[in-house]
Amino acid sequence: DVVLTQSPLSLSVTLGQPASISCRSSQSLVDSDGYTYLNWFQQRPGQSPRRLIYKVSKWESGVPDRFSGSGSGTDFTLKISRVEAEDVGVYYCMQDTHWPKTFGQGTKLEIK
Amino acid sequence: EVQLVESGGGLVQPGGSLRLSCAASGFTFSRHWMNWVRQTPGKGLEWVANIKEDGSDKYYVDSVKGRFTISRDNTNNSLYLQMNSLRAEDTAVYYCVRGSSHWGQGTLVTVSS
Repeated sequence: DVVLTQSPLSLSVTLGQPASISCRSSQSLVDSDGYTYLNWFQQRPGQSPRRLIYKVSKWESGVPDRFSGSGSGTDFTLKISRVEAEDVGVYYCMQDTHWPKTFGQGTKLEIK
Repeated sequence: EVQLVESGGGLVQPGGSLRLSCAASGFTFSRHWMNWVRQTPGKGLEWVANIKEDGSDKYYVDSVKGRFTISRDNTNNSLYLQMNSLRAEDTAVYYCVRGSSHWGQGTLVTVSS
């Protein structure tokens, strides 16, 4: 199975400051169709996961543009340009290039 | 608006069975792959099973193969997960997911004596 390793596992950020989360894959996530199926999810306390980003860098509808995704091959990053209070929660990367689909361990974001 | 509502969770003894259901609305159910994903405090998020639009293809994570069966009813816009021979490690919140973009609120399954 593809292993996704996130870092850091926890993040404490001052409001208005940037945040960055890394996701490294144990193998390339480029599919045979040329696309890279790497997603980012946010899970707020007590809620279901919500997809923010798909195919590395495409925004899900309604996602603020302070969130951005980048990367290629095996190395990916989620960036929040200016952290807001509503961003508190756990962030997961997930790949659906290979079966079984797999998730990273999660990165807990809190406000300093 | 896409809505996915799971039901059927509860407390079951090890070795027992449970059938989860997911009622879908707000989209053309028969045009989407559907999935079950579970979440535990210890293991995090785990993709359990998925099923093609017409039900002709199904995939399972190794840990549930031979014990769980995913199915769907496109007439009634419903997704199911039949879980047999349940183990303590199957204890989790189970989510119904459309593609990977829309998630239900989850239903808790607890396997314990």
